[in-house]
Amino acid sequence: GQNIDQPTEMTATEGAIVQINCTYQTSGFNGLFWYQQHAGEAPTFLSYNVLDGLEEKGRFSSFLSRSKGYSYLLLKELQMKDSASYLCAVRVSGGYNKLIFGAGTRLAVHP
Amino acid sequence: ETGVTQSPTHLIKTRGQQVTLRCSSQSGHNTVSWYQQALGQGPQFIFQYYREEENGRGNFPPRFSGLQFPNYSSELNVNALELDDSALYLCASSILQASGGNEQFFGPGTRLTVL
Repeated sequence: GQNIDQPTEMTATEGAIVQINCTYQTSGFNGLFWYQQHAGEAPTFLSYNVLDGLEEKGRFSSFLSRSKGYSYLLLKELQMKDSASYLCAVRVSGGYNKLIFGAGTRLAVHP
Repeated sequence: ETGVTQSPTHLIKTRGQQVTLRCSSQSGHNTVSWYQQALGQGPQFIFQYYREEENGRGNFPPRFSGLQFPNYSSELNVNALELDDSALYLCASSILQASGGNEQFFGPGTRLTVL
């Protein structure tokens, strides 16, 4: 089966660092994506990992361990506008672009 | 560069009716995927179209069908609507590569309510 787990909700303080974890069990693996989704809006791409290790992109970093079926998204210097849902998604193999999404982690950033 | 657009923004239907949702892909993209996102959940893959052919399908019944046109725009059709079909329907376009995929760009979605 396909299973992606991430925490339902997290809270953090403006200026702080937060780590959102994602574990996955999928039939096939061809990359892991993180998307940000504000309420009522489309998901927007944040990061992509296909090899083990850390990918850094400004205030956002994402880590992948394929052997452990584990990823995390690290957000630094949190801003109020970072309050959103963060979706972890695995692209499964098969010659097409199917993404399996987790339920999302709702992050609330407080002053 | 034009992004992914969807229409309509919101739609209200009654149980048993049929609905057609539309999507215009990002310029240069040859692949469109449709997802259903229930409230508080992540998007669920419905199907993908590449060069006007369905080339992948998720766990959705046949009453969910689609089309992709030569200009790479797409339609999602849902027949015999059920209450559980109420959701945000997202269209995502991408360029399908030999490696099997690429980043998907999502449209703003159509919010469907079935009464």
